[in-house]
Amino acid sequence: GESVGLHLPTLSVQEGDNSIINCAYSNSASDYFIWYKQESGKGPQFIIDIRSNMDKRQGQRVTVLLNKTVKHLSLQIAATQPGDSAVYFCAENPLMSSGSARQLTFGSGTQLTVLP
Amino acid sequence: DGGITQSPKYLFRKEGQNVTLSCEQNLNHDAMYWYRQDPGQGLRLIYYSQIVNDFQKGDIAEGYSVSREKKESFPLTVTSAQKNPTAFYLCASRRDRGSGELFFGEGSRLTVL
Repeated sequence: GESVGLHLPTLSVQEGDNSIINCAYSNSASDYFIWYKQESGKGPQFIIDIRSNMDKRQGQRVTVLLNKTVKHLSLQIAATQPGDSAVYFCAENPLMSSGSARQLTFGSGTQLTVLP
Repeated sequence: DGGITQSPKYLFRKEGQNVTLSCEQNLNHDAMYWYRQDPGQGLRLIYYSQIVNDFQKGDIAEGYSVSREKKESFPLTVTSAQKNPTAFYLCASRRDRGSGELFFGEGSRLTVL
């Protein structure tokens, strides 16, 4: 079956540097993508989302880039802080051929560690 | 404040016992979901409900059961038929059934002894 996957399971960055977390998806019918942050022992928190009619969206210190040609999604975090240490998941919302949406499918996540 | 409340946060159970995890939301969301998370892995969908008195199986429904008698509540029962129930369980809700973000609870960690 089709699934969302991540290029790297772990990422370590120096405090203050920018972080880039990547995600590959295989369902070309997906029209909506979300990034979540999950701290240890807690539920995932919404970070930012993007629809397939866009290729970039910016939030506070975060930017999501969508490249539909190569089915790639990335999350950029500017000036990474210790509080950014967490697991980051991408999720896609594939459309069915009928035009209705299926449920969100999650990738396995990337552990981001911010080094002092 | 609006949100999703899961209880208990930690639960221990002996093999062969059923256990029910509670999930309550006051966001007035139509859709609710249960996910299972194993260490180092992503979220897998167990069951979801898009409207009261209706629910659908997700990808790993075997050994689980749910009910949706009220809009606010979506309890999950982990039955003795679930062969490997030790996991972190996450409940979520969504305003619209087919789009938009999921709002998650803080999770319930079930350990089978």
